[in-house]
Amino acid sequence: EDQVTQSPEALRLQEGESSSLNCSYTVSGLRGLFWYRQDPGKGPEFLFTLYSAGEEKEKERLKATLTKKESFLHITAPKPEDSATYLCAVQAGIQGAQKLVFGQGTRLTINP
Amino acid sequence: SQTIHQWPATLVQPVGSPLSLECTVEGTSNPNLYWYRQAAGRGLQLLFYSVGIGQISSEVPQNLSASRPQDRQFILSSKKLLLSDSGFYLCAWKRSYEQYFGPGTRLTVT
Repeated sequence: EDQVTQSPEALRLQEGESSSLNCSYTVSGLRGLFWYRQDPGKGPEFLFTLYSAGEEKEKERLKATLTKKESFLHITAPKPEDSATYLCAVQAGIQGAQKLVFGQGTRLTINP
Repeated sequence: SQTIHQWPATLVQPVGSPLSLECTVEGTSNPNLYWYRQAAGRGLQLLFYSVGIGQISSEVPQNLSASRPQDRQFILSSKKLLLSDSGFYLCAWKRSYEQYFGPGTRLTVT
């Protein structure tokens, strides 16, 4: 069964304090790994797609990396506006259906 | 550009009442469409997906159903709501390999 586990569940940082969020996955035939940001009461906002081990993507203070078993979302010098829940998902299933399996998310709080 | 709409934004319904949530997508044709539910403090659970008009696949057996009467319209329904149906319902559409989500509907069953 395809599975995604995110850690930690919650993380509090001071503004400017860099850290990383982890996403471990088990899936038969990874077709893609996705990172989303979700603000309270809103739908998830797409951030990155990673397809193969060794791939990296960057956007402002965020950088996502991928290995054969896990992905990391590195946040460098975060600001309070980076506070949100970050969701990781993997694409499973036959081509065409493209179903996503999500982790539970990491709730990130950046204190000023 | 593509836009996805959901309504209503919030809904409070008594147990046993019917449900109809609507999702529409603008700016694209024949997209794959998805319904997810997010319970409090939990991840997103895929409920239904559709690859075309009238084509619905169910992921989780439950008292919910979905329909796709038009190319860019996806509807989530129930004949009789249960307390366990409470949650945040999200519609998504697929472009290339990515899924893009709507603003969601917060459903509270009382």
